[in-house]
Amino acid sequence: EDQVTQSPEALRLQEGESSSLNCSYTVSGLRGLFWYRQDPGKGPEFLFTLYSAGEEKEKERLKATLTKKESFLHITAPKPEDSATYLCAVQAGSNYQLIWGAGTKLIIKP
Amino acid sequence: EPEVTQTPSHQVTQMGQEVILRCVPISNHLYFYWYRQILGQKVEFLVSFYNNEISEKSEIFDDQFSVERPDGSNFTLKIRSTKLEDSAMYFCASSFPTSGFTDTQYFGPGTRLTVL
Repeated sequence: EDQVTQSPEALRLQEGESSSLNCSYTVSGLRGLFWYRQDPGKGPEFLFTLYSAGEEKEKERLKATLTKKESFLHITAPKPEDSATYLCAVQAGSNYQLIWGAGTKLIIKP
Repeated sequence: EPEVTQTPSHQVTQMGQEVILRCVPISNHLYFYWYRQILGQKVEFLVSFYNNEISEKSEIFDDQFSVERPDGSNFTLKIRSTKLEDSAMYFCASSFPTSGFTDTQYFGPGTRLTVL
């Protein structure tokens, strides 16, 4: 069965303290891995799509990387406005549906 | 920047009543989706829709649910007889497949459905 697991469940950092969020996946035939940001009561906001192992993408303080088993979302010198839940999702096989992880709730303290 | 919109933002209904949730996908997108998220749980796929028909559906999407694209812009999710366990945030998403077979789905702000 296709599965996506994110860790940690929650992460508290001081402003400026860099860290990484993990998304491990077990799927047959990965076609894409997606990172989204979700603020409370809002819809997922697209961040990155990664297609193949070794690929990296960056946007401001965020950098996403992909291996054959997992993806990391690195956050460098975070600010309080980066506080949100970060969701990982995959597309696999012949399906278009996204399979989701439970998310990592990131809290950045000033 | 184009975005997916959803109405209403919050819907309260009595158990057994029918509800229709509405979405306007991004205008040049071809694939449309509904997902739901029960409070504190993972986002779950319900259904995908392409070329005026359902292309995939999950086990959650039973006979109580239906989808429709009544005109060139709207995409609706109908729940025929709501149950308490249908209470959740419902998200609409749309995509324009690129890279052959992989697409990025863009989400609306959601409709919070509360069933009493």
